Amino acid sequence: GESVGLHLPTLSVQEGDNSIINCAYSNSASDYFIWYKQESGKGPQFIIDIRSNMDKRQGQRVTVLLNKTVKHLSLQIAATQPGDSAVYFCAENGGATNKLIFGTGTLLAVQP
Amino acid sequence: EAGVVQSPRYKIIEKKQPVAFWCNPISGHNTLYWYLQNLGQGPELLIRYENEEAVDDSQLPKDRFSAERLKGVDSTLKIQPAELGDSAVYLCASSFGLDEQFFGPGTRLTVL
Repeated sequence: GESVGLHLPTLSVQEGDNSIINCAYSNSASDYFIWYKQESGKGPQFIIDIRSNMDKRQGQRVTVLLNKTVKHLSLQIAATQPGDSAVYFCAENGGATNKLIFGTGTLLAVQP
Repeated sequence: EAGVVQSPRYKIIEKKQPVAFWCNPISGHNTLYWYLQNLGQGPELLIRYENEEAVDDSQLPKDRFSAERLKGVDSTLKIQPAELGDSAVYLCASSFGLDEQFFGPGTRLTVL
């Protein structure tokens, strides 16, 4: 049956603080992971990715950490800005080429 | 550079009516995806095309959903007849081969 997920996990941070968004993935065969940002009324936007042969990858103001032992992924955003307010999704490929399985999103609310 | 284009952006129909969504991928992208996104949840893949061939339609409810990409460029997703539970956002994404997926803004469907 249909599941209605109206209650998103929410992270509220002050502007300028660092944010950490966590994600637990399900498939131990997954070897590719992506973080997406989705603003209201828009499609998901790629932020950063990481392959399973790495445990850390850095981008501009963002860092993704991968812990394969506990199947955990995190996204760190440095100096969070109001424009970072959005829903953030992690996605895994389940070991399949270019097949993405999205997790439950986290709403990041940045307080000015 | 134009992104993935979807139309309409919003659609309201009564149950049992048919509805169609259109997607024009980024120029040069041979892979096209249709996703369904329920409120507060991550996108779920419905179908993936490589050029005009549907290579993964395992999650497409074929009793009422159909899709086509006749010339390997733009694509149409149809629902006939629509049910109340079909209310969701329908996202289209495209990629060049197995590279990064770019998402369109989606079509928000409301079935009354």
